[in-house]
Amino acid sequence: EDQVTQSPEALRLQEGESSSLNCSYTVSGLRGLFWYRQDPGKGPEFLFTLYSAGEEKEKERLKATLTKKESFLHITAPKPEDSATYLCAVNSGGYQKVTFGIGTKLQVIP
Amino acid sequence: EPEVTQTPSHQVTQMGQEVILRCVPISNHLYFYWYRQILGQKVEFLVSFYNNEISEKSEIFDDQFSVERPDGSNFTLKIRSTKLEDSAMYFCASTEQGLAAGELFFGEGSRLTVL
Repeated sequence: EDQVTQSPEALRLQEGESSSLNCSYTVSGLRGLFWYRQDPGKGPEFLFTLYSAGEEKEKERLKATLTKKESFLHITAPKPEDSATYLCAVNSGGYQKVTFGIGTKLQVIP
Repeated sequence: EPEVTQTPSHQVTQMGQEVILRCVPISNHLYFYWYRQILGQKVEFLVSFYNNEISEKSEIFDDQFSVERPDGSNFTLKIRSTKLEDSAMYFCASTEQGLAAGELFFGEGSRLTVL
């Protein structure tokens, strides 16, 4: 069974203070690792898909990287509007389901 | 920008009642999903639907649950006899090419409260 563990569960940063969120996973044949952003009371919003170890994707202040066991979401010089819960998820085998982690709740203080 | 729309945004029901949650996926998408999120917990897969049939379902999706695409635009989730533990946010999602393309488009969710 696919497992996704995210750390830390919560992170509080000052505006401009860069940091990284971790996602470790256990799957039988990774087909894709996804990062989503979720605002309170809303549905997850897609950020990135990573398919193989060594792959990196960037979008504004966010950069996602992937190894064979974990993924990192690096946040450079965050702003208050980056405050949200960041979800990591995996898809494996020939399945249609995506398995999510519990998420990291990020708060960026002005 | 196209989006997945869900109704109702919030529904309160009594235990044992039937509930239907409705979704309008993005028009050119072919794969449809339901996920749920109990307050403070992970987003959990319920069911995937393609070509007018269920392609995969989780252990959560028991005989009390059913899905239907009654016309060319709507995708519904029915819970026949609600239980207290069905209280959750239910998210509909869709994608054009299945998970090979990576991106799931989620709706804003329907909050179900069972009393």
